[in-house]
Amino acid sequence: GQNIDQPTEMTATEGAIVQINCTYQTSGFNGLFWYQQHAGEAPTFLSYNVLDGLEEKGRFSSFLSRSKGYSYLLLKELQMKDSASYLCAVVDSNYQLIWGAGTKLIIKP
Amino acid sequence: NAGVTQTPKFRVLKTGQSMTLLCAQDMNHEYMYWYRQDPGMGLRLIHYSVGEGTTAKGEVPDGYNVSRLKKQNFLLGLESAAPSQTSVYFCASSRSGGAVETQYFGPGTRLLVL
Repeated sequence: GQNIDQPTEMTATEGAIVQINCTYQTSGFNGLFWYQQHAGEAPTFLSYNVLDGLEEKGRFSSFLSRSKGYSYLLLKELQMKDSASYLCAVVDSNYQLIWGAGTKLIIKP
Repeated sequence: NAGVTQTPKFRVLKTGQSMTLLCAQDMNHEYMYWYRQDPGMGLRLIHYSVGEGTTAKGEVPDGYNVSRLKKQNFLLGLESAAPSQTSVYFCASSRSGGAVETQYFGPGTRLLVL
């Protein structure tokens, strides 16, 4: 079966750095997405990785290792508005999008 | 541009009642999707459409029907609602590249079936 694993919940302090991990076992791989979802709102796009390595976009960076079936989202200089759920999703060999259950990130002052 | 809109935002149904959820997008996207989101679970695809007049089943299609008569609209119908269909429903759209394209989501419809 296809599976995506993310921690259910994480807590971090305002101004700090947090890394949210995502591991996947899917039938093939055609890319990995990260979406942000604030409570009661719609998911919004953060990043898309299809090649190994780190991609930086402002305070957010996303890393991919296809050989390890692993990705992480790195959030720097955390702000209270970063409190949200972070969804990892993988495109499999059939070009279907497989979603993880999401990681709820709680930021404390 | 409004992006993706959904109506209604919230609805309470009794078991056995029917309803239709409407999704509209103004981005001229080819692909449209209906998902449900339940606590502790990832988004699950109900049905999707790769263009006007086409629909296909997703991961959890039972109990739902869809129609895409116009490119900008994607309707989700529940013919006979069940308590198991209590969920938050999200519509999304993307360009013609399909799963490798960014999906743009509507604000969601919260459905409670009693």
